[in-house]
Amino acid sequence: AAGVIQSPRHLIKEKRETATLKCYPIPRHDTVYWYQQGPGQDPQFLISFYEKMQSDKGSIPDRFSAQQFSDYHSELNMSSLELGDSALYFCASSPMDGGGMAYEQYFGPGTRLTVT
Amino acid sequence: AQSVAQPEDQVNVAEGNPLTVKCTYSVSGNPYLFWYVQYPNRGLQFLLKYITGDNLVKGSYGFEAEFNKSQTSFHLKKPSALVSDSALYFCAVRDGMGRRALTFGSGTRLQVQP
Repeated sequence: AAGVIQSPRHLIKEKRETATLKCYPIPRHDTVYWYQQGPGQDPQFLISFYEKMQSDKGSIPDRFSAQQFSDYHSELNMSSLELGDSALYFCASSPMDGGGMAYEQYFGPGTRLTVT
Repeated sequence: AQSVAQPEDQVNVAEGNPLTVKCTYSVSGNPYLFWYVQYPNRGLQFLLKYITGDNLVKGSYGFEAEFNKSQTSFHLKKPSALVSDSALYFCAVRDGMGRRALTFGSGTRLQVQP
């Protein structure tokens, strides 16, 4: 079965540089979520999109932005990178709840970002 | 605000013995509860969920979880542990309406000894 695809899998950047992470959801999933997992931490919700519109916002820094495109893939843009941004960034996708169903989120393998 | 507590950083169990990983939650309204497992350098894999209905939920790999509304708990269980079950387990919650983002617990590392 198709899974969530994230690219790149690993990324090394220097402080103050920019980074773009990509996420390709499972086909027919219209909702995408971004999470950040610091070393030894639980995943923290950043932002989500439904049908190309931002649907919810969590602890995403102002230096970060994201969008969902017409083909439902999403990109997380990170600028003025700081050492503290080093983390595993997960994308998850799900169908929209409906018909009495609440759907689980399926996670990609993550992008490990290292800021030096 | 919703929250999840996993009181044990690590659980150790011998292979073949039953295991329990504890989770308690706090949420406005009806909770939607999930368990995920994370292997080293991997993404989170969905195990099971409770939305409504039967309090005992069965999931992947022989895992099950029991929803207890009065104790606001959703403990993960398995009758007979395998060495391959050793991993990091996260409990997560979202409320039943509105926000769909998951709030995770701090995780519990399960170590199954042969």
